[in-house]
Amino acid sequence: ETGVTQTPRHLVMGMTNKKSLKCEQHLGHNAMYWYKQSAKKPLELMFVYSLEERVENNSVPSRFSPECPNSSHLFLHLHTLQPEDSALYLCASSQGLAGTDTQYFGPGTRLTVL
Amino acid sequence: AQSVAQPEDQVNVAEGNPLTVKCTYSVSGNPYLFWYVQYPNRGLQFLLKYITGDNLVKGSYGFEAEFNKSQTSFHLKKPSALVSDSALYFCAVRGSYGGATNKLIFGTGTLLAVQP
Repeated sequence: ETGVTQTPRHLVMGMTNKKSLKCEQHLGHNAMYWYKQSAKKPLELMFVYSLEERVENNSVPSRFSPECPNSSHLFLHLHTLQPEDSALYLCASSQGLAGTDTQYFGPGTRLTVL
Repeated sequence: AQSVAQPEDQVNVAEGNPLTVKCTYSVSGNPYLFWYVQYPNRGLQFLLKYITGDNLVKGSYGFEAEFNKSQTSFHLKKPSALVSDSALYFCAVRGSYGGATNKLIFGTGTLLAVQP
């Protein structure tokens, strides 16, 4: 689990705030992902980056803005969120985008939007 | 379309007894199948995966899973459950083609409760 780290672990923000989630992977992987995990729902893939290029944007509202400055770091910038955006946000990385590549997850950021 | 079903929201088992967590899938072509475990306030931890070859896959912490192509199932098993195995377990499937559009599809999770 220490291969992928996420900060902060917990975040409480108002609907007018701007905040950022950070993810760092120490596995030498080339692909990184953001997922949203809500109670009693399957994991929702939000964004996929491969070699710092966004390759998938899974119909995510524009109030979520990803950034991948290099293959080890991934950010999720948040602004004007809604209470229904409260969830656990998980970062993951994999060697590449092959079907056989295992995704390794970070511990997540528990986000509460008031 | 790819899909995964975990028919049981919760599985209860006594410590020392064998456990099974069920998973069935639907995918075009050959499936790649994964099991993950999530402990409270933690991310998902990879347990094992099936790519090809032997239908019985062994993974971390004594877990194993059996791929059954005819029944499109990939059930997770352990011969003797521990209280520390209590957690949320996710099955996931992916088709055999690569690329970002080949998403890893997760089930809704099964909560395993092992009683002492």
